Amino acid sequence: ETGVTQSPTHLIKTRGQQVTLRCSSQSGHNTVSWYQQALGQGPQFIFQYYREEENGRGNFPPRFSGLQFPNYSSELNVNALELDDSALYLCASSNNIKETQYFGPGTRLLVL
Amino acid sequence: QQQVKQSPQSLIVQKGGISIINCAYENTAFDYFPWYQQFPGKGPALLIAIRPDVSEKKEGRFTISFNKSAKQFSLHIMDSQPGDSATYFCAASSASSGDKLTFGTGTRLAVRP
Repeated sequence: ETGVTQSPTHLIKTRGQQVTLRCSSQSGHNTVSWYQQALGQGPQFIFQYYREEENGRGNFPPRFSGLQFPNYSSELNVNALELDDSALYLCASSNNIKETQYFGPGTRLLVL
Repeated sequence: QQQVKQSPQSLIVQKGGISIINCAYENTAFDYFPWYQQFPGKGPALLIAIRPDVSEKKEGRFTISFNKSAKQFSLHIMDSQPGDSATYFCAASSASSGDKLTFGTGTRLAVRP
């Protein structure tokens, strides 16, 4: 059984650009949640996808968008990047909404 | 609005000692309280979790104590080891919010040999 994987591991972008981050959920998991973790802070919930539908969203602007595919993998897209978007982006998967979330290693994004 | 407050921010403990990290929450709808351990460059890993129908849960050297009336919960690490040196996050979620996790700000633990 493979765990949650994320790609890429690191990414450097400039302000105003767009970025796409990818997450493969753990085998058998149909729910994916995305979190943003700024340096020295706890993760902040961005949104959750359950069986390809958005199922809850945190306090993030619309330029943060996502997608979940039929195989339950997921993408996080961020448009018009700002310097404050620099953070570790974490993906977590679970087997249904009310179950334990297991985190991937994250993608570290640096916006210059 | 910070819904889960965590303390201390950092903690230094001697090998073999007890590490104690505390969290307090505001939202009475929270019904699931996990603790995550995070090493540098890694994602958070679930350590232990509790639901409010019990006041204590123990797994190996790790114990969660839960006080529903005070809206507080804590992590105790017994016989702390240098390998326990990491950042620890408490979190909380509720079924009514789709089980999104609300995290504390983290505690950086250093266990000295």
